[in-house]
Amino acid sequence: NAGVMQNPRHLVRRRGQEARLRCSPMKGHSHVYWYRQLPEEGLKFMVYLQKENIIDESGMPKERFSAEFPKEGPSILRIQQVVRGDSAAYFCASSPTRDTEAFFGQGTRLTVV
Amino acid sequence: AQRVTQPEKLLSVFKGAPVELKCNYSYSGSPELFWYVQYSRQRLQLLLRHISRESIKGFTADLNKGETSFHLKKPFAQEEDSAMYYCALPWSGGSYIPTFGRGTSLIVHP
Repeated sequence: NAGVMQNPRHLVRRRGQEARLRCSPMKGHSHVYWYRQLPEEGLKFMVYLQKENIIDESGMPKERFSAEFPKEGPSILRIQQVVRGDSAAYFCASSPTRDTEAFFGQGTRLTVV
Repeated sequence: AQRVTQPEKLLSVFKGAPVELKCNYSYSGSPELFWYVQYSRQRLQLLLRHISRESIKGFTADLNKGETSFHLKKPFAQEEDSAMYYCALPWSGGSYIPTFGRGTSLIVHP
């Protein structure tokens, strides 16, 4: 099992562009969580998805951010019209069920210039 | 709502010194608690969980329900312990969203 895979590892976008972050969960895992990591704030929950469903998006900004986890393929975190404040490390985690250990990917470092 | 508090952003010690990383939680039920570790620019990985009562890499953590704490301890720090440590409520009650503290950066000097 390759573990949770995130790509790209590093992403540079100009202000106003779109950023797409991908997360392939571990095999057999249908629960996916996205977190944002800022230096002074630690890990902040963004969204929790289960195949084709958004279970909880209470940590997602209301505008410009969206997430999906289609039946086939990776989970995608999309940030439209990026701004400098979106620069952060974004981590994805997956688990086989909702009450088991979550395994993390290596993260995507987004830099907005 | 559940909450995890790590009061120290940074803990700096010398090799061989004891280490205690503090974690307090807020949860009305009977919690499950984890410690995750993140080495420089790597993924978070589970270090230990309270329910297993194990010692990993010399680290231990005891759940104290009276003080609502789950402090991480190691009697003799090593340089390779330098990392970011996160205390987490992996799930609690009706919420199955892992909740993390803000993290404590441990630096062990030679």
